[in-house]
Formats: sequence, C-alpha cells, structure tokens
Amino acid sequence: AAGVIQSPRHLIKEKRETATLKCYPIPRHDTVYWYQQGPGQDPQFLISFYEKMQSDKGSIPDRFSAQQFSDYHSELNMSSLELGDSALYFCASSSLGNLETQYFGPGTRLLVL
Amino acid sequence: DQQVKQNSPSLSVQEGRISILNCDYTNSMFDYFLWYKKYPAEGPTFLISISSIKDKNEDGRFTVFLNKSAKHLSLHIVPSQPGDSAVYFCAASRGAQKLVFGQGTRLTINP
Repeated sequence: AAGVIQSPRHLIKEKRETATLKCYPIPRHDTVYWYQQGPGQDPQFLISFYEKMQSDKGSIPDRFSAQQFSDYHSELNMSSLELGDSALYFCASSSLGNLETQYFGPGTRLLVL
Repeated sequence: DQQVKQNSPSLSVQEGRISILNCDYTNSMFDYFLWYKKYPAEGPTFLISISSIKDKNEDGRFTVFLNKSAKHLSLHIVPSQPGDSAVYFCAASRGAQKLVFGQGTRLTINP
C-alpha cells in the first residue's frame, strides 16, 4: 500500500540558510500534519492542513511557514535556520473517513551546522 | 507540561511472554488514543487505536485497554516476538486533531 512520502530524507544546512521539506500524503488523504522530533524527545506538533487550509497550529517558529497545494502535497519552509532546528521532521496524513488515525512518513533528518 | 506520559523508558521481555506498555494522560478532553511503533531512522508506524467510548480494542497480538477514570491506557502484546523490539509511543488527540505524544518506551524482546 502507498505510504506517506517525504523528501529529502536527509538535509544538511548552514546556520541562517533556508530549507524546504516536502510531503506527499497517502492517495486520497486530504489532511497533512507536520511534527518535529528533537534528539531524545517525543514528536511535537507544528502545523496541519485540511483541504489546503491551515487547520491547526502548534509550536511552530515564525521563521517557519507551510502550505498545502492543490494536489494535497505539503511543503514546510524553514528560514534563518538555527542550530536548534536540527531534528527529525515527520509528516503525517489522514483521510476524512478516518481523521483520527494519522499515518506517518519516514521523516526528514535536518542537520544545521 | 507533559500531557501524555510513559513512565517506563525501557522494558525487557522474554520471547513468547506478554509485553505490557503503559501510558497515562492528564487531559480529560482527549477522546482518541493511539499506539505507534518506531524503529530508528523510520517514521512512527500505526499499531492500534481506541476511542474514548470503548475500554478495549484488539487486533491480532495487540490489545489496547483504556481506563478513563484513571486516565490510563495500556498496550498488551502477546506473545511477544523478537520483531516487536522497537520504541513504542502512546499518543492522544482531541477531536481528531493534533497528536500529543508520550516520551516513548523502548521494548526489547529477548530470545
């Protein structure tokens, strides 16, 4: 079965650079969530989209922005990167028929040097 | 403020025995609970879930129990297999919105 696709899988950036993470949800899933998992921590919710509209917002820095496109894929844009942004970034998706269950992608590991 | 807590960072169980992973929550507004399994360098894999209107849900070797009065849920794996060795996260949500995760429990199944 098709799963959530995230790209790139690994990313190395310098401080103050920008990064764009992409997420392709499971086909026919219309809701996308972004989570950040720091080293040794549990995943923390950043932001979510339903039908291309922002549906909820968590502890996402103002330097980060995200959107969902007409094909339901989503992009997380991160600017002025800081060392503390180094983390695993997960995307999850769910469908209208089963909104409660989120299925996760493999994650993007971002390292800021 | 950790709204979902997994107080055991690690658990070691012999193959074939029962594994019991525990999770406590503080927010009484949570109405949906999920368990995820995670291997290193991979995303969390959905295992099983339970709605707050139920007290038990079973799927093969996995059973989740919910005690709303105690704000406690547990995941039972029986019989435990070596492939079950992973980090298990408990998560909760309110109204099918963002998930709030526990800190995870590393389960090791010994042959």
